[in-house]
Amino acid sequence: NAGVTQTPKFQVLKTGQSMTLQCAQDMNHNSMYWYRQDPGMGLRLIYYSASEGTTDKGEVPNGYNVSRLNKREFSLRLESAAPSQTSVYFCASSEHGHNYGYTFGSGTRLTVV
Amino acid sequence: AQSVAQPEDQVNVAEGNPLTVKCTYSVSGNPYLFWYVQYPNRGLQFLLKYITGDNLVKGSYGFEAEFNKSQTSFHLKKPSALVSDSALYFCAVRDPLNYGGSQGNLIFGKGTKLSVKP
Repeated sequence: NAGVTQTPKFQVLKTGQSMTLQCAQDMNHNSMYWYRQDPGMGLRLIYYSASEGTTDKGEVPNGYNVSRLNKREFSLRLESAAPSQTSVYFCASSEHGHNYGYTFGSGTRLTVV
Repeated sequence: AQSVAQPEDQVNVAEGNPLTVKCTYSVSGNPYLFWYVQYPNRGLQFLLKYITGDNLVKGSYGFEAEFNKSQTSFHLKKPSALVSDSALYFCAVRDPLNYGGSQGNLIFGKGTKLSVKP
């Protein structure tokens, strides 16, 4: 059981380049999330998708777009990368219901130079 | 609004000693509380949760947490720390009365780095 799979694990981009971070889950979860983790800042929610076909902004959505391609996949796109987007990005998923926690992927470490 | 606080950025303990990682929360209803652990270069892993019932919740790797409604706390504990427990620990809260939309998302604390020395 793979859980939540993120690709790539590492990426270096030049300022202005674009890229898409991929996330897929095999647990039939309804909800999916994208977070960024920066030192001293904890986890900050970028976007989330409560169910297939819906997406909503989180705490720090600027500079990002998302696509909930189907129930399994939730991608995060950086259209024009900036050094401030250097971070570790985590995807997570959860079952629908307030007593469920999240299952996290192993992360993508992104450096923008 | 829901919030969660981890008042200590870092906790240092000696191996074999008991450890406590603190968490306090603020919600309008009865909280659902979670602890996660993050080992270096890994994603967050679920440790335990409190939904209802016994205030003392037991989880993975010998960890437990005590829910204290009067003090609005959910501190993580372990009777005897191991060097391998060194990691970043996150507390999270959800208010089921506000479930729906963004209010239904887990709110995470900023994390506490636990360092266990031999």
